[in-house]
Amino acid sequence: EPEVTQTPSHQVTQMGQEVILRCVPISNHLYFYWYRQILGQKVEFLVSFYNNEISEKSEIFDDQFSVERPDGSNFTLKIRSTKLEDSAMYFCASSGTGGTEAFFGQGTRLTVV
Amino acid sequence: GEDVEQSLFLSVREGDSSVINCTYTDSSSTYLYWYKQEPGAGLQLLTYIFSNMDMKQDQRLTVLLNKKDKHLSLRIADTQTGDSAIYFCAESMDSSYKLIFGSGTRLLVRP
Repeated sequence: EPEVTQTPSHQVTQMGQEVILRCVPISNHLYFYWYRQILGQKVEFLVSFYNNEISEKSEIFDDQFSVERPDGSNFTLKIRSTKLEDSAMYFCASSGTGGTEAFFGQGTRLTVV
Repeated sequence: GEDVEQSLFLSVREGDSSVINCTYTDSSSTYLYWYKQEPGAGLQLLTYIFSNMDMKQDQRLTVLLNKKDKHLSLRIADTQTGDSAIYFCAESMDSSYKLIFGSGTRLLVRP
């Protein structure tokens, strides 16, 4: 069964460093998303991406964050100058059509120390 | 604004039915979803219902939607210990690609 894969599963980084979280969406999907879940809190939408551009972003997704689809298969989230409060589980998702049946990856746990 | 609320915890005995409830505020919701999260794992899409439907059944899962009351429920028949997980309700709107999640309901199935 096709699935969304994310790497790494766990990343520890020092405050102020840049991290890149990687995702391989389901191959025929056109819509891509990043969500995050701070420990004990709700899953929060960060950004959606379609046709090589951001289609929607939340207030959380400020200039510290960027997304890219560098080739036909990968979808990345870059966090510049990480802060302690960026520690969370980051989920990538993809869907064949916008707003329906989003399939999530296993997540990357980011720990900023 | 958009908000999705769920009760935090439900405990049932193995073999019983579980009913997990969810309320949402935005009447323009187009799709409503149930996701399952096992410990340390990602979000697994269980089922979803389009807002013009009242009910959807998929094997042991039954989703009921009361659009007037903005209430969604997930019934799991013959609940098994493997069903122990956190269940998230989520909504999406036609005008947006994003999902709005509830806080999740932790289901504990006792043997």
